[in-house]
Amino acid sequence: DQQVKQNSPSLSVQEGRISILNCDYTNSMFDYFLWYKKYPAEGPTFLISISSIKDKNEDGRFTVFLNKSAKHLSLHIVPSQPGDSAVYFCAASAGTGGGNKLTFGTGTQLKVEL
Amino acid sequence: NAGVTQTPKFQVLKTGQSMTLQCAQDMNHEYMSWYRQDPGMGLRLIHYSVGAGITDQGEVPNGYNVSRSTTEDFPLRLLSAAPSQTSVYFCASSYLIKDTQYFGPGTRLTVL
Repeated sequence: DQQVKQNSPSLSVQEGRISILNCDYTNSMFDYFLWYKKYPAEGPTFLISISSIKDKNEDGRFTVFLNKSAKHLSLHIVPSQPGDSAVYFCAASAGTGGGNKLTFGTGTQLKVEL
Repeated sequence: NAGVTQTPKFQVLKTGQSMTLQCAQDMNHEYMSWYRQDPGMGLRLIHYSVGAGITDQGEVPNGYNVSRSTTEDFPLRLLSAAPSQTSVYFCASSYLIKDTQYFGPGTRLTVL
């Protein structure tokens, strides 16, 4: 049972435009959400996170939106740059008892074209 | 500050062989974990540790053992490798509770 779902395996966007990556979750106990970026042959690197007490968090070109009622979050990248081409993973964790145990989605391959 | 290091980068094993994947961090993080990444599956948690001497199972622990004798090191042992364990393995570390996890570069393991 996939508790964190990224239904779009790939996304292609033109340089300068907005990239929107989506993530859905089913476990209502999740209270902390993260986005990781991964280049080939490298480990994932942290991008941005959001706590369930917020509905938006912004860091430079990256903004994460959380809709708790819909159990949906999205990552917006504006403007998109060629260096943003990577696989993006959505991840979630539940409560303090779960510590830092992360449940990951299957990833979305973003390609930013010139 | 090297961050999270993993060795080896690549390994090929025959079915039934054993080996240890090494993971070390120099950030004095309490929390360390192992994930495997398979095509179409995302990253799945194998084992984790909240401090020296304390380990627990994740989502896919079968066929793997871990120990945490020091804060810095968290090795992952495959006792009898199987083709189903062919994967890319990532180690990660963080401070406890909702902190950003830092990942190592990964070990690509092939079991023939």
